[in-house]
Amino acid sequence: AQSVTQPDIHITVSEGASLELRCNYSYGATPYLFWYVQSPGQGLQLLLKYFSGDTLVQGIKGFEAEFKRSQSSFNLRKPSVHWSDAAEYFCAVGAGITGGGNKLTFGTGTQLKVEL
Amino acid sequence: EAQVTQNPRYLITVTGKKLTVTCSQNMNHEYMSWYRQDPGLGLRQIYYSMNVEVTDKGDVPEGYKVSRKEKRNFPLILESPSPNQTSLYFCASSLMGTLNTGELFFGEGSRLTVL
Repeated sequence: AQSVTQPDIHITVSEGASLELRCNYSYGATPYLFWYVQSPGQGLQLLLKYFSGDTLVQGIKGFEAEFKRSQSSFNLRKPSVHWSDAAEYFCAVGAGITGGGNKLTFGTGTQLKVEL
Repeated sequence: EAQVTQNPRYLITVTGKKLTVTCSQNMNHEYMSWYRQDPGLGLRQIYYSMNVEVTDKGDVPEGYKVSRKEKRNFPLILESPSPNQTSLYFCASSLMGTLNTGELFFGEGSRLTVL
């Protein structure tokens, strides 16, 4: 069974500082990996995704993530955080088209607070 | 505008009073799914559907029903709600098959409180 671990429940950074949110996954085959962001009172918006190829993927809002198969990780990074990045971030793993429809298994989320 | 629309956005009800949360998407997606979000637990899948008249249980289906009579609609039914179903519910949809990118498109959520 697939699973996702986000070890940091809360993270606080200063505006302008760099950010890294951790994500570890468990999946028996090549995973489809995603990062979603949830702003207060909103649904989830896709930041970026990895299926194959280049292990460093670029997303919206200046975010990037790196897939490291040897570490089963897919950490999200941003070089300079803006106050508007304060939100909850979810990492997810999916089976893609090969199984279970498009079920995504989500981590428990990391709440990001940005100090001005 | 491509979107997933849920109604109601907010609902307070009492134990045992049947309710339905509607979900509609305008992207002609085959796949639709319901998740519930609870603090510290992330999002957990309730039910999903890979096409009209095809539905299946997710990880936490107890106490819920769904139907898929039309491609665009996927209502979530709570026949006899209980307080442990107090949660934030999300409907999501995506393409299937060769056009599938695995990305789920989410509605804005429905916050349900059962007293």
